[in-house]
Amino acid sequence: DVKVTQSSRYLVKRTGEKVFLECVQDMDHENMFWYRQDPGLGLRLIYFSYDVKMKEKGDIPEGYSVSREKKERFSLILESASTNQTSMYLCASSSGGQGATEAFFGQGTRLTVV
Amino acid sequence: GEDVEQSLFLSVREGDSSVINCTYTDSSSTYLYWYKQEPGAGLQLLTYIFSNMDMKQDQRLTVLLNKKDKHLSLRIADTQTGDSAIYFCAESGRGGSTLGRLYFGRGTQLTVWP
Repeated sequence: DVKVTQSSRYLVKRTGEKVFLECVQDMDHENMFWYRQDPGLGLRLIYFSYDVKMKEKGDIPEGYSVSREKKERFSLILESASTNQTSMYLCASSSGGQGATEAFFGQGTRLTVV
Repeated sequence: GEDVEQSLFLSVREGDSSVINCTYTDSSSTYLYWYKQEPGAGLQLLTYIFSNMDMKQDQRLTVLLNKKDKHLSLRIADTQTGDSAIYFCAESGRGGSTLGRLYFGRGTQLTVWP
Protein backbone atom coordinates (compact mmCIF):
# COMPACT_ATOMS: atom_id res chain seq x y z
CA ASP A 1 0.00 0.00 0.00
CA VAL A 2 1.60 3.25 -1.15
CA LYS A 3 2.05 5.89 1.46
CA VAL A 4 2.77 9.53 2.06
CA THR A 5 3.21 10.08 5.76
CA GLN A 6 3.15 13.42 7.50
CA SER A 7 4.77 13.47 10.90
CA SER A 8 1.91 15.14 12.82
CA ARG A 9 -1.87 15.35 12.38
CA TYR A 10 -2.24 18.30 14.73
CA LEU A 11 0.30 20.86 15.87
CA VAL A 12 0.02 23.96 18.06
CA LYS A 13 2.92 26.43 18.02
CA ARG A 14 3.59 29.90 19.37
CA THR A 15 4.13 33.00 17.26
CA GLY A 16 7.80 33.37 16.39
CA GLU A 17 8.68 29.70 16.81
CA LYS A 18 10.54 27.80 14.09
CA VAL A 19 8.31 24.97 12.90
CA PHE A 20 9.26 21.83 10.97
CA LEU A 21 6.68 19.79 9.09
CA GLU A 22 8.01 16.47 7.86
CA CYS A 23 6.80 14.34 4.98
CA VAL A 24 8.04 10.91 3.91
CA GLN A 25 6.99 8.85 0.89
CA ASP A 26 7.78 5.20 0.23
CA MET A 27 7.15 5.12 -3.54
CA ASP A 28 10.56 6.33 -4.77
CA HIS A 29 8.85 9.35 -6.34
CA GLU A 30 10.89 12.13 -7.87
CA ASN A 31 8.35 14.90 -7.25
CA MET A 32 7.23 16.17 -3.87
CA PHE A 33 4.94 19.09 -3.04
CA TRP A 34 3.77 21.14 -0.09
CA TYR A 35 0.34 22.79 -0.22
CA ARG A 36 -1.70 24.69 2.27
CA GLN A 37 -5.48 24.37 2.28
CA ASP A 38 -7.78 27.09 3.57
CA PRO A 39 -11.61 27.22 3.39
CA GLY A 40 -12.78 28.84 0.17
CA LEU A 41 -9.23 29.12 -1.18
CA GLY A 42 -8.61 25.50 -2.09
CA LEU A 43 -5.05 24.21 -2.35
CA ARG A 44 -2.23 26.66 -2.81
CA LEU A 45 1.24 25.44 -3.69
CA ILE A 46 4.01 26.60 -1.36
CA TYR A 47 7.08 24.77 -2.68
CA PHE A 48 7.88 21.73 -4.75
CA SER A 49 10.89 19.60 -5.58
CA TYR A 50 11.78 17.47 -8.60
CA ASP A 51 14.90 15.92 -7.17
CA VAL A 52 17.10 15.68 -4.13
CA LYS A 53 18.49 19.05 -3.06
CA MET A 54 16.35 20.75 -5.67
CA LYS A 55 13.45 23.11 -4.89
CA GLU A 56 11.19 25.52 -6.70
CA LYS A 57 8.89 28.19 -5.35
CA GLY A 58 5.19 27.72 -5.75
CA ASP A 59 2.55 30.43 -5.57
CA ILE A 60 2.92 31.42 -1.90
CA PRO A 61 6.50 30.74 -0.73
CA GLU A 62 6.84 33.80 1.53
CA GLY A 63 7.52 32.86 5.13
CA TYR A 64 8.40 29.26 4.24
CA SER A 65 11.46 27.28 3.20
CA VAL A 66 11.97 23.62 2.35
CA SER A 67 14.64 20.95 2.53
CA ARG A 68 15.08 17.79 0.51
CA GLU A 69 18.25 16.04 1.60
CA LYS A 70 16.96 12.56 0.75
CA LYS A 71 14.65 11.46 -2.04
CA GLU A 72 11.96 10.15 0.29
CA ARG A 73 11.79 13.12 2.65
CA PHE A 74 10.57 16.67 2.04
CA SER A 75 10.45 19.09 4.94
CA LEU A 76 8.56 22.36 5.18
CA ILE A 77 10.02 24.97 7.52
CA LEU A 78 8.25 27.98 8.94
CA GLU A 79 11.17 30.21 9.91
CA SER A 80 9.15 32.34 12.35
CA ALA A 81 5.57 31.16 12.68
CA SER A 82 2.80 33.75 12.47
CA THR A 83 -0.93 33.49 13.11
CA ASN A 84 -1.71 33.84 9.40
CA GLN A 85 0.11 30.55 8.86
CA THR A 86 -2.58 28.71 10.79
CA SER A 87 -3.83 26.26 8.18
CA MET A 88 -4.03 22.67 6.97
CA TYR A 89 -0.78 21.61 5.31
CA LEU A 90 -0.79 18.82 2.75
CA CYS A 91 2.21 17.01 1.36
CA ALA A 92 2.05 15.12 -1.94
CA SER A 93 4.34 13.08 -4.16
CA SER A 94 4.24 11.86 -7.75
CA SER A 95 6.49 10.08 -10.19
CA GLY A 96 8.42 12.08 -12.79
CA GLY A 97 8.21 11.97 -16.58
CA GLN A 98 5.50 12.54 -19.17
CA GLY A 99 2.02 11.07 -19.13
CA ALA A 100 -0.76 11.15 -16.59
CA THR A 101 0.69 10.89 -13.13
CA GLU A 102 -1.24 10.38 -9.95
CA ALA A 103 -0.33 12.59 -7.04
CA PHE A 104 -0.50 10.82 -3.67
CA PHE A 105 -1.38 12.93 -0.66
CA GLY A 106 -0.65 12.64 3.01
CA GLN A 107 -3.39 12.98 5.63
CA GLY A 108 -2.50 16.58 6.34
CA THR A 109 -1.16 18.49 9.33
CA ARG A 110 -3.48 20.99 10.94
CA LEU A 111 -1.23 23.71 12.31
CA THR A 112 -2.48 26.31 14.76
CA VAL A 113 -0.22 29.27 15.58
CA VAL A 114 -1.20 31.09 18.76
CA GLY B 1 -2.04 31.70 -16.34
CA GLU B 2 -3.39 28.41 -15.14
CA ASP B 3 -6.60 29.38 -13.32
CA VAL B 4 -9.04 26.59 -12.62
CA GLU B 5 -12.55 27.66 -11.57
CA GLN B 6 -15.32 25.62 -9.97
CA SER B 7 -18.37 26.42 -7.88
CA LEU B 8 -17.93 25.99 -4.13
CA PHE B 9 -21.09 24.09 -3.14
CA LEU B 10 -23.51 21.50 -4.52
CA SER B 11 -26.35 19.74 -2.71
CA VAL B 12 -28.25 16.74 -4.09
CA ARG B 13 -30.64 14.09 -2.84
CA GLU B 14 -29.49 10.51 -2.48
CA GLY B 15 -30.14 8.60 -5.69
CA ASP B 16 -30.03 11.68 -7.92
CA SER B 17 -27.18 12.49 -10.29
CA SER B 18 -24.59 15.09 -9.33
CA VAL B 19 -22.79 17.23 -11.88
CA ILE B 20 -19.73 19.18 -10.81
CA ASN B 21 -18.41 21.70 -13.32
CA CYS B 22 -14.98 23.17 -13.86
CA THR B 23 -13.41 25.63 -16.28
CA TYR B 24 -9.72 25.94 -16.97
CA THR B 25 -7.61 28.37 -18.95
CA ASP B 26 -4.47 26.53 -20.02
CA SER B 27 -5.32 24.98 -23.39
CA SER B 28 -1.96 23.20 -23.45
CA SER B 29 -2.85 21.00 -20.47
CA THR B 30 -2.41 17.40 -21.48
CA TYR B 31 -4.41 15.80 -18.69
CA LEU B 32 -7.29 16.94 -16.52
CA TYR B 33 -8.02 15.32 -13.21
CA TRP B 34 -10.72 14.94 -10.58
CA TYR B 35 -9.64 14.41 -6.99
CA LYS B 36 -11.84 13.64 -3.98
CA GLN B 37 -11.18 14.72 -0.39
CA GLU B 38 -13.15 13.05 2.38
CA PRO B 39 -13.37 14.75 5.79
CA GLY B 40 -10.09 14.68 7.69
CA ALA B 41 -8.18 13.10 4.84
CA GLY B 42 -5.84 14.04 2.03
CA LEU B 43 -6.87 14.10 -1.62
CA GLN B 44 -7.31 10.92 -3.61
CA LEU B 45 -7.36 10.63 -7.40
CA LEU B 46 -10.85 9.72 -8.70
CA THR B 47 -10.30 9.79 -12.43
CA TYR B 48 -8.53 11.67 -15.20
CA ILE B 49 -9.02 12.35 -18.89
CA PHE B 50 -6.51 12.87 -21.68
CA SER B 51 -7.03 16.13 -23.51
CA ASN B 52 -7.75 14.48 -26.89
CA MET B 53 -10.76 12.63 -25.44
CA ASP B 54 -14.20 14.14 -24.91
CA MET B 55 -15.67 11.55 -22.57
CA LYS B 56 -14.55 8.92 -20.14
CA GLN B 57 -16.79 6.59 -18.14
CA ASP B 58 -15.79 4.63 -15.08
CA GLN B 59 -18.66 2.87 -13.27
CA ARG B 60 -20.83 5.65 -11.74
CA LEU B 61 -18.47 8.40 -12.89
CA THR B 62 -18.63 10.15 -16.26
CA VAL B 63 -16.14 12.84 -17.21
CA LEU B 64 -17.00 15.17 -20.08
CA LEU B 65 -14.43 17.47 -21.67
CA ASN B 66 -15.29 20.35 -23.97
CA LYS B 67 -11.86 21.51 -25.11
CA LYS B 68 -13.22 24.38 -27.19
CA ASP B 69 -14.89 25.95 -24.15
CA LYS B 70 -12.22 24.66 -21.73
CA HIS B 71 -14.99 23.06 -19.67
CA LEU B 72 -14.72 19.86 -17.67
CA SER B 73 -17.50 18.14 -15.77
CA LEU B 74 -17.83 15.18 -13.43
CA ARG B 75 -21.15 13.37 -13.30
CA ILE B 76 -21.84 10.97 -10.45
CA ALA B 77 -24.80 8.70 -11.11
CA ASP B 78 -26.99 7.42 -8.27
CA THR B 79 -25.25 9.66 -5.74
CA GLN B 80 -24.85 8.12 -2.28
CA THR B 81 -24.29 9.72 1.13
CA GLY B 82 -20.76 8.28 0.99
CA ASP B 83 -20.08 10.54 -1.99
CA SER B 84 -20.29 13.60 0.26
CA ALA B 85 -16.83 15.16 0.02
CA ILE B 86 -14.89 17.99 -1.58
CA TYR B 87 -14.15 17.43 -5.28
CA PHE B 88 -11.19 19.16 -6.89
CA CYS B 89 -10.65 19.71 -10.56
CA ALA B 90 -6.97 19.92 -11.61
CA GLU B 91 -5.01 20.45 -14.78
CA SER B 92 -1.46 19.46 -15.54
CA GLY B 93 1.15 22.12 -16.02
CA ARG B 94 3.09 22.63 -19.19
CA GLY B 95 6.56 21.22 -19.70
CA GLY B 96 9.72 22.69 -18.31
CA SER B 97 9.87 23.69 -14.70
CA THR B 98 6.17 23.04 -14.11
CA LEU B 99 6.33 19.43 -15.37
CA GLY B 100 4.51 17.24 -12.86
CA ARG B 101 2.85 20.17 -11.13
CA LEU B 102 -0.95 20.19 -10.89
CA TYR B 103 -3.11 23.33 -10.80
CA PHE B 104 -6.14 22.85 -8.58
CA GLY B 105 -9.50 24.57 -8.45
CA ARG B 106 -10.87 25.69 -5.10
CA GLY B 107 -12.93 22.54 -4.66
CA THR B 108 -16.68 21.85 -4.71
CA GLN B 109 -18.25 20.69 -1.46
CA LEU B 110 -20.81 18.04 -2.41
CA THR B 111 -23.48 17.37 0.22
CA VAL B 112 -25.79 14.40 -0.31
CA TRP B 113 -29.09 14.43 1.60
CA PRO B 114 -30.75 11.12 2.52
